[in-house]
Amino acid sequence: ETGVTQTPRHLVMGMTNKKSLKCEQHLGHNAMYWYKQSAKKPLELMFVYNFKEQTENNSVPSRFSPECPNSSHLFLHLHTLQPEDSALYLCASSKERTGETQYFGPGTRLLVL
Amino acid sequence: ELKVEQNPLFLSMQEGKNYTIYCNYSTTSDRLYWYRQDPGKSLESLFVLLSNGAVKQEGRLMASLDTKARLSTLHITAAVHDLSATYFCAAANTGNQFYFGTGTSLTVIP
Repeated sequence: ETGVTQTPRHLVMGMTNKKSLKCEQHLGHNAMYWYKQSAKKPLELMFVYNFKEQTENNSVPSRFSPECPNSSHLFLHLHTLQPEDSALYLCASSKERTGETQYFGPGTRLLVL
Repeated sequence: ELKVEQNPLFLSMQEGKNYTIYCNYSTTSDRLYWYRQDPGKSLESLFVLLSNGAVKQEGRLMASLDTKARLSTLHITAAVHDLSATYFCAAANTGNQFYFGTGTSLTVIP
């Protein structure tokens, strides 16, 4: 499979659950990103990893925990989420952290009950 | 913080007509990106505009950038149904962080 893939595509979880979102890119890129897309709001950048090192954390609550074991994989670990965390979570990658075009995955639609 | 505003937020247009989507941003940025998102699908990169006066065209879509006015436009020529989607612009600041607009939902009516 090519491009940026995300699993699962849909996730329903309770507020006490722990789950993880996975992103994998097959483009040979070195930078990866997590975004949150809520209804009627702009995409919000959550985390940035460049060469496996976290370079941005945009005041994201600690109930979201990213992990980047290598340049091709990015995880978002979720625990004790709130209903307002329900959204589409998009992963993206770019060749370098230099403002080049970001390529997006299909997203994970998350519903927190 | 860089703020990006798009208008209109919703656009319904007839096939064959022309229209322009506007993207304004609040502070200095010399890189502007346009994306397309179909329902239930990911964002697809359309254009990257890297300098003042840049103009790029692909099919019925043409994007331009005026960094002095802090304005980018996405012009649609002779719209067809396949262009129905949500279009996002994003501006990058000097720290290479992307700031997205809220999107313009375009519906092309036969």
